[in-house]
Amino acid sequence: KQEVTQIPAALSVPEGENLVLNCSFTDSAIYNLQWFRQDPGKGLTSLLLIQSSQREQTSGRLNASLDKSSGRSTLYIAASQPGDSATYLCAVRLLDTGRRALTFGSGTRLQVQP
Amino acid sequence: DTEVTQTPKHLVMGMTNKKSLKCEQHMGHRAMYWYKQKAKKPPELMFVYSYEKLSINESVPSRFSPECPNSSLLNLHLHALQPEDSALYLCASSQEPGPSEHEQFFGPGTRLTVL
Repeated sequence: KQEVTQIPAALSVPEGENLVLNCSFTDSAIYNLQWFRQDPGKGLTSLLLIQSSQREQTSGRLNASLDKSSGRSTLYIAASQPGDSATYLCAVRLLDTGRRALTFGSGTRLQVQP
Repeated sequence: DTEVTQTPKHLVMGMTNKKSLKCEQHMGHRAMYWYKQKAKKPPELMFVYSYEKLSINESVPSRFSPECPNSSLLNLHLHALQPEDSALYLCASSQEPGPSEHEQFFGPGTRLTVL
């Protein structure tokens, strides 16, 4: 059974810092990995999608990397801002064609202090 | 239009009530999903519809009844729920079918409280 782990569970940083969020998964047979942002009580906003054949994706101040063989992904946030405060979730989609759903990690709660 | 909409935003119901949650997307996606998220936990899959047919039911109790009337709409009918069913219910959609590696788009969720 696929297990997805995110470290750290919570993180508090001053504004302007660069930071790295970690995600690891036990089954490397994945279609893709997706990073999401969730504000309290709200839905999920997709940040980046990395295909299994890709090594990284970038969007603005965000960069996500994928090392499928070692079962790891990182989300790098440059020059953090208070508006980045949220919970960040990574999720993997398994290669099993009968199962299209995502398996989520428990998330990293980020607080960026002004 | 890259949006998934859900109604209502909030719902409070008693254990004897019957209610429905609605989800809609106009991105031409043929796979739609229901997830349940308890407080401070990650979303957990409930149901998957592919081409309007139920393809996955994650052993969800029968008091939750999904319905996909057409390719743009997904409903979740609720009956005789328990207080522990209180959660954020999230709908998502993605392109299908085949071994394609498409992104899932989520709606804002319905916050359900069962009294």
